Amino acid sequence: DIVMTQTPLSSPVTLGQPASISCRSSQSLVHSDGNTYLSWLQQRPGQPPRLLIYKISNRFSGVPDRFSGSGAGTDFTLKISRVEAEDVGVYYCMQATQFPFTFGPGTKVDI
Amino acid sequence: EVQLVESGGGLAQPGGSLRLSCTASGFTFSTHGMNWVRQAPGKGLEWVAYSSSSSIYYADSVRGRFTISRDNAKNSLYLQMNSLRAEDTAVYYCARVGGGWLPLDYWGQGTLVTVSS
Repeated sequence: DIVMTQTPLSSPVTLGQPASISCRSSQSLVHSDGNTYLSWLQQRPGQPPRLLIYKISNRFSGVPDRFSGSGAGTDFTLKISRVEAEDVGVYYCMQATQFPFTFGPGTKVDI
Repeated sequence: EVQLVESGGGLAQPGGSLRLSCTASGFTFSTHGMNWVRQAPGKGLEWVAYSSSSSIYYADSVRGRFTISRDNAKNSLYLQMNSLRAEDTAVYYCARVGGGWLPLDYWGQGTLVTVSS
């Protein structure tokens, strides 16, 4: 199975300031079809997870443009350009390149 | 609007069984892969199982005990859970795979399963 790790596990942030989360996979996430199925999900307190970013850098429908994703191979980053109060929650990276799908441990973002 | 609504959670004894359901609306259910993902209290996300028209996959932790199935005529996904253990206690979410292999693009609100004597 592919192991996903994230740093930091906790990130106190300041409103209006940028934030960044790193994710690393134990092996390359490049699929045989040439795509890299690395996603980022947000889980606000008391809510189900929500897809933010798919295939490294594509924002899902309705996701604000302050969220961006980057990376390649085994190293990936989620950036929030200016943190807003509604961004508080836990952020997970996830790989869907091969079964079983696996998630990172989550990064808690709070003000 | 895509909607996924889970049901069937509750209290079960160790060694017991439960059947979860997920009812979908707002999209052509038969053409999408579907997943079950769980989250133990205060913990992270764990993928459980996947079903499409041609494939089924399970996490090692549930293989042989859980069975994923679907009824496309009823727009429904199921998870039959047998030989339940305390460590199966979690909120169980169903989540869709979007077109073009867009995993977990929509999620339900979840249903809580508690395994305890």
